[in-house]
Amino acid sequence: NAGVMQNPRHLVRRRGQEARLRCSPMKGHSHVYWYRQLPEEGLKFMVYLQKENIIDESGMPKERFSAEFPKEGPSILRIQQVVRGDSAAYFCASSPLYPGEGPGELFFGEGSRLTVL
Amino acid sequence: KNQVEQSPQSLIILEGKNCTLQCNYTVSPFSNLRWYKQDTGRGPVSLTIMTFSENTKSNGRYTATLDADTKQSSLHITASQLSDSASYICVVTPAGNNRKLIWGLGTSLAVNP
Repeated sequence: NAGVMQNPRHLVRRRGQEARLRCSPMKGHSHVYWYRQLPEEGLKFMVYLQKENIIDESGMPKERFSAEFPKEGPSILRIQQVVRGDSAAYFCASSPLYPGEGPGELFFGEGSRLTVL
Repeated sequence: KNQVEQSPQSLIILEGKNCTLQCNYTVSPFSNLRWYKQDTGRGPVSLTIMTFSENTKSNGRYTATLDADTKQSSLHITASQLSDSASYICVVTPAGNNRKLIWGLGTSLAVNP
């Protein structure tokens, strides 16, 4: 049973380019979360998605960032016109649905490290 | 002010020694509290989960305690090993809000030989 798969593991972009990060959740998991982690800092929530729906995007910057989780295929975190401040590790996590108790255990991928030159 | 505060920010101990990490939270009411371990360059992995009615939970050499009255949790590591070097993060799930987990900033633990 494969874990959460993220790719690419490392991505280098120049300022102004687009970055696309992909996340395939664990089999049977219908919830996906994206987090950002700057060096020496904690994890910061960005967005929570279920299949074809954005449930909570309160942690997403208003501009340049978008996320989707289509019916088929992986979840995508898209950053347009990247700037140096976007350089960070982006972690994806998935969880099964535990009704009434909120998200179950989050299973994290190994992260995608974005470097903006 | 962060709703989940962890201390110390960093800690260095010798291999074989015990240590205790602290988590103070103001989230109330809450559904559960988890401790995650994050190795450098890796994604976090869940160590323990406790609901508000549980006082202690063990996972091998890791023992978590919870005092819902004082809103404090601790993670005790026994007989530390070099592989315990990592960041340990306390995470609280607010009751009734099943979307937004409240993350602490973590304690960075270094176990030296």
